Amino acid sequence: DTEVTQTPKHLVMGMTNKKSLKCEQHMGHRAMYWYKQKAKKPPELMFVYSYEKLSINESVPSRFSPECPNSSLLNLHLHALQPEDSALYLCASSQVNSGRTYGETQYFGPGTRLLVL
Amino acid sequence: GEDVEQSLFLSVREGDSSVINCTYTDSSSTYLYWYKQEPGAGLQLLTYIFSNMDMKQDQRLTVLLNKKDKHLSLRIADTQTGDSAIYFCAETPNQAGTALIFGKGTTLSVSS
Repeated sequence: DTEVTQTPKHLVMGMTNKKSLKCEQHMGHRAMYWYKQKAKKPPELMFVYSYEKLSINESVPSRFSPECPNSSLLNLHLHALQPEDSALYLCASSQVNSGRTYGETQYFGPGTRLLVL
Repeated sequence: GEDVEQSLFLSVREGDSSVINCTYTDSSSTYLYWYKQEPGAGLQLLTYIFSNMDMKQDQRLTVLLNKKDKHLSLRIADTQTGDSAIYFCAETPNQAGTALIFGKGTTLSVSS
């Protein structure tokens, strides 16, 4: 099973709303990732969790708050977003080899398409 | 710095072979990947090649790696309309603090 699931598939929110994106995998991977993807562009890395600890934060604004409650789940909490935050948000997971997340194959979920009004 | 380059568009006819090319800069990359993204969907891992390999074949897909020239290609045999998508080449530099580095993606259009 190489499936990563994400909910919801679509989300529309106002700039004052608080919402959360959810990601789940049951492959036993101990690294999980959030990416943001604008139309016709490659994904941009936002956060990396390794063994449920935040290991990379790519200078993402604080209105995005990640959480990794256990080894299978990854959340992205959204608050006071801007219209330019509208994008496809992708979750991915990978194994961790010898403590390293880099160099490991990442498997992506279908994404959540977010529209901020 | 790390960079991955791809041509942006490729148009082929159904039944022809497609070849999508990619160049990368980090010679220490351990794996090189091809991901496929259909409209409105997430990224699907198509195939990958370890940096000590020259070629990998998987059904209609053939990946060629020229490590000297840092050139990676994906050949799709007997291209079908269902192969129409954006194809991303990606590398994982062998250094901490980095994850996947993607090319800009090649849009493959298959006409019947």
